[in-house]
Amino acid sequence: RKEVEQDPGPFNVPEGATVAFNCTYSNSASQSFFWYRQDCRKEPKLLMSVYSSGNEDGRFTAQLNRASQYISLLIRDSKLSDSATYLCVVADKLIFGTGTRLQVFP
Amino acid sequence: GAVVSQHPSWVICKSGTSVKIECRSLDFQATTMFWYRQFPKQSLMLMATSNEGSKATYEQGVEKDKFLINHASLTLSTLTVTSAHPEDSSFYICSARSRDRGAEAFFGQGTRLTVV
Repeated sequence: RKEVEQDPGPFNVPEGATVAFNCTYSNSASQSFFWYRQDCRKEPKLLMSVYSSGNEDGRFTAQLNRASQYISLLIRDSKLSDSATYLCVVADKLIFGTGTRLQVFP
Repeated sequence: GAVVSQHPSWVICKSGTSVKIECRSLDFQATTMFWYRQFPKQSLMLMATSNEGSKATYEQGVEKDKFLINHASLTLSTLTVTSAHPEDSSFYICSARSRDRGAEAFFGQGTRLTVV
């Protein structure tokens, strides 16, 4: 089993839609998690950390479910500029998931 | 955020030659650096992790004699691809983390290597 698994997508959604991505991890001892965003042919950039109690940053909400070993990212009111690949990361060893590609269309 | 500079941003080399990629943390001390490889439309694959002054820890399947990693100072790590072959053509990205800045990692801009 891979250490971090994501649905690769692509997710094609219209502007304004709400979209959610899940990510599962195999090491139950993992403590820290992030969501990164990667645009085509660019380096990943930190989108947000994932806290145990869940956290929100504008249109983005991250959740952690330790019992089921998954993290999620919810994007509300999608914008065209949200089109990118979203990578979940187990921060202890900085292992990346395969990434989920999001394409927002007009 | 902190700045990580990776150089060169792209390189073309002949098969059999070696290529060195540098990764520098410009405004913080990088106690740990990570090297990744990314093939087109694929995820970032962790190659190795290095702590300053220590030997790098390589992931399974990554040849340590082919991908030489040096992390001699708190601001510089290098990856040398030795005897490069066309199948080594890829996007190589470094990432740096500091104990003082928590678990967040900061990425270099990446190096696109093409071996002909």
